[in-house]
Parts: sequence; C-alpha cells; structure tokens
Amino acid sequence: DTEVTQTPKHLVMGMTNKKSLKCEQHMGHRAMYWYKQKAKKPPELMFVYSYEKLSINESVPSRFSPECPNSSLLNLHLHALQPEDSALYLCASSQGRGGLTEAFFGQGTRLTVV
Amino acid sequence: GNSVTQMEGPVTLSEEAFLTINCTYTATGYPSLFWYVQYPGEGLQLLLKATKADDKGSNKGFEATYRKETTSFHLEKGSVQVSDSAVYFCAHRANAGGTSYGKLTFGQGTILTVHP
Repeated sequence: DTEVTQTPKHLVMGMTNKKSLKCEQHMGHRAMYWYKQKAKKPPELMFVYSYEKLSINESVPSRFSPECPNSSLLNLHLHALQPEDSALYLCASSQGRGGLTEAFFGQGTRLTVV
Repeated sequence: GNSVTQMEGPVTLSEEAFLTINCTYTATGYPSLFWYVQYPGEGLQLLLKATKADDKGSNKGFEATYRKETTSFHLEKGSVQVSDSAVYFCAHRANAGGTSYGKLTFGQGTILTVHP
C-alpha cells in the first residue's frame, strides 16, 4: 500500500470560514509534508513534519496552521484565507526526511476561496 | 543554493516518437534525483528515481541516468503513447543534514502532449 489519502477532494470556503484539510497514510512513514500548487506551477513546500514534530516551516502565513496528531495523520487548519490562497494542496509522506527515501503524494485538495 | 532546471515546454509529439526532457540541477552534496508525473486533475506520482551517480532509474519505459559530471538527470522514452500526456517534474532531495535536509526541490515542469 503506497497510498496517501487526502480529504476532501474539493473545498470552497469563504474568507471568514474555518476549515481543515486532512491527510492520512498507513505506510509507517515518519515524515509528512504539505505542499501548495498553483496552476501550471510546481509544488511549493509549506511544512515538513518529522516524527510528529514540525521540522520546516517555509515562512507560511499564520492563517495556515498544520497539526500532526499522530504518525499517520496530518491536518492543515485554514482560517481567514484570501482568494490568492486558492490552489491545489498536496500532502506527501516518506519513510524519513533523508533524500534516499522517495516521497509519495496524495491526490490533493483543490481549494477555492471566495 | 539548490535548484532544478527543466527544459521549457510544452512538448508535443506524435505517438511512437522518441522523448527527451532535459533536467539539470545545482545542489550541495549528493542529492537523490526523481522524476514525478502529474496527470490532469491528479496529484504527483513518482515515475523513477536515482540515489547516486551513474544510477539509472527506469519505469514504464521511461529512463533517466544520474550524471554527476554534468549535474543532469534527463528523462527519455523510446516510444511515447497518448496516455503519456501529462506534466513531468524533475526534482532533487538533499541527503545530508542542514536546513534543506529532506526538502524536495522541483523544476518548473514540462507539459507533454502526445497525439495519435
């Protein structure tokens, strides 16, 4: 099983809403990632968790709040987003942070902020 | 700094044509190298990887060789199919410690369209 599952697949939210994106993997991976991808662009790293601790925050605005409740789950809490935050949000996981291990990506959540 | 440069697309080919998508990188140390593919409306799928110099990654008829001397990882396929139409991303990942440890750095992506 090399699956990373993201829910929901699509999300439309208003600028005053609070919502959460969820990501789950059962491969025993200890590193999990959030990426943001705009149309026709490569994914941009937002956060890295390693052994359930935040390892990298790529200077992401505080309206995005990640959470790793356990080794299988990763959440991204959204609050007071702007229309320019509309994008495909991708979750990924890997066995560790080391480069020798490949990252597996979920199908993404397509977020539209209205 | 670490970066990945891909040939600019889009690339349009006829079925059974030969495909090359160029990729070069800059990195400190010896990163692992990857090709990911993204089909319309989907996430990224790992296509192939190489973790050290002269390694050849291969999958589904695609190949790429880790060339340390030219810092390149070009993607090739001898005979493309319509179903290969997608966006292809070259990426590298730092193996050693430091602030970039584990960070996956992507190229800009190359859109491939294969016509029957």
